[in-house]
This record gives sequence, structure tokens and C-alpha cells, in this order.
Amino acid sequence: DADVTQTPRNRITKTGKRIMLECSQTKGHDRMYWYRQDPGLGLRLIYYSFDVKDINKGEISDGYSVSRQAQAKFSLSLESAIPNQTALYFCATSDATGINQPQHFGDGTRLSIL
Amino acid sequence: AQKITQTQPGMFVQEKEAVTLDCTYDTSDPSYGLFWYKQPSSGEMIFLIYQGSYDQQNATEGRYSLNFQKARKSANLVISASQLGDSAMYFCAMREGVYQAGTALIFGKGTTLSVSS
Repeated sequence: DADVTQTPRNRITKTGKRIMLECSQTKGHDRMYWYRQDPGLGLRLIYYSFDVKDINKGEISDGYSVSRQAQAKFSLSLESAIPNQTALYFCATSDATGINQPQHFGDGTRLSIL
Repeated sequence: AQKITQTQPGMFVQEKEAVTLDCTYDTSDPSYGLFWYKQPSSGEMIFLIYQGSYDQQNATEGRYSLNFQKARKSANLVISASQLGDSAMYFCAMREGVYQAGTALIFGKGTTLSVSS
């Protein structure tokens, strides 16, 4: 089983709908992140969480919200989806023990908003 | 200003040849870490290699090595003996600060590598 699991893997929805993307991890990491990837722009940080009680905005948080339900679960919500939120979304985790620790990514959620 | 710059949108190489993917970075922190990730067409992000700002030697992992030039603020990825399976998007990323363990990575825009037979 994957260490970082994202659901759904693909989603097509309509403008104005509320959408939730879910992420769960079995790595035991405290740090969790949500990124979006757009062609030609790389990955940009939406939100991050250092523990259940700590939520922080990233570079592009407008139009998004998150919930850290448990150490292992971090969900991303689009309250009212718009077409320019069409992107590939990644959840990631990391260990806080050292600057050399890589982030571990889920397989991504391809979201299309019509 | 961009923190991570990858100037090569696309690179082409033949099998068995070596290829260098460029990455320059911008930080005023004396302590930082540099990472390279591979993203094949299936979409997943695969960690390849890490270089710390205080590391005395260039990092190596199998066919991957990092040409780290601290004074020039560059951390180029070298792939030796390219294989068809190396065709993918490659991202350079940075984590800043000695107290920033576990903080988010800052990514470049990526370079698409195409390996031909």
C-alpha cells in the first residue's frame, strides 16, 4: 500500500460545486502539505500543517481551505470551484528531524472544473 | 525574484549519453537543502537526490549526481548513461534555513527530458 494516499485520483466537476480532496498517510510524519501543479509553473504550495493544531497558508491559498482531522489525515476543500482551479493536486508529508528529509508525495489528484 | 530557476524547458538526449539539467537558486540563508524530483508521465513525484549547503562533497545516487557550485548558487543534476525510462519532467527544489526542518519545498518550473533510442 502507498505511504501517502490521495482520493480521488481523478475528478471532473462543475463550476460552483464544493469539492474535497483527501489525503492520508502511514509514514507517521507530522508535517503535511498541499500543492497544485499547473503546466509550466511547477508545484506551488497551497497550505501546510505542522501538526493537528497548526495550519498555515501557502503561496496560493485563496479559494481553498484545509482540515487536519488527525496526524494522518489532511484534506483540501474548494468551497466553490472555478475553472482556473483545474490542476493536478499533490499531498505530501515530511519528517521534521532534519533539513535533508525529502517530502513524500501522493500520486496526485487530477481535478477538472468545467 | 524566483527562488529556484530552471532555464531549460526541454532537453533531448540519446540513450547511453550523459545529460545535465540546470538549476540555480537564490537564498540568503547559510543553511539550506537542495532536492531533485522526477515526474514521469504517470504523474507521481519521485525523490532522486539531496545536497546540503554544508556538504563537502557532491551528492551521488547511482546514475544521478549533483554538480553543486555553491559560489555560483547552482545545483545541476547529472544523469549518466541515460535510459529510455529517464524520460520525464525533472524538478529542482529548495528548503531554506537551519531551523526549517520539515518546512515546505520551493520548486522550480521543471525541465522535460526526452531520451531517444
